[in-house]
Amino acid sequence: KNEVEQSPQNLTAQEGEFITINCSYSVGISALHWLQQHPGGGIVSLFMLSSGKKKHGRLIATINIQEKHSSLHITASHPRDSAVYICAVVLSQKLVFGQGTRLTINP
Amino acid sequence: DVKVTQSSRYLVKRTGEKVFLECVQDMDHENMFWYRQDPGLGLRLIYFSYDVKMKEKGDIPEGYSVSREKKERFSLILESASTNQTSMYLCASSFLGGPVGTIYFGEGSWLTVV
Repeated sequence: KNEVEQSPQNLTAQEGEFITINCSYSVGISALHWLQQHPGGGIVSLFMLSSGKKKHGRLIATINIQEKHSSLHITASHPRDSAVYICAVVLSQKLVFGQGTRLTINP
Repeated sequence: DVKVTQSSRYLVKRTGEKVFLECVQDMDHENMFWYRQDPGLGLRLIYFSYDVKMKEKGDIPEGYSVSREKKERFSLILESASTNQTSMYLCASSFLGGPVGTIYFGEGSWLTVV
């Protein structure tokens, strides 16, 4: 079993829809990252969370440490949000990655 | 603007060749990482370094070595490339204290071994 599980693996939605991507982990962590990877490979860090909730523009990330669960929400989704979203947890100063969620937003 | 630069975006090498992948960061970060990314397996840590001339094995170090002679540069070496090392390789860096803070990634290097 992976230490970090994401769901769904693939998600297709229409422009404007509210998107939720989930991440569950099985071990105690010090922090969790949400990352975005566009076609071509480069990865950008969206959020680093250790508790509560963070918001940046149309993106919202939440974490529940007790339940070992985090969610990434996108409001008013747009085709430019199409990317792979990766959850990564911090374990002993190293990152352990989920498999990623491939999000496609159709116009 | 912060930057992690990987020297080659696309490489094609023959089995048995020695391959160097270079990574340079301009943020004075202590930590640098090499990952490989494969479909269905996600990102896996090959090696990391927390200081010049220091290195630690990650989860899949077999078949790889690294070099960190200067703080800004971290090289991944495939001593004798094999077809199962065909993959996308990502370099990353962060400040000391581990990747608790923001971690920065390069654009990736797509390596094909034939």
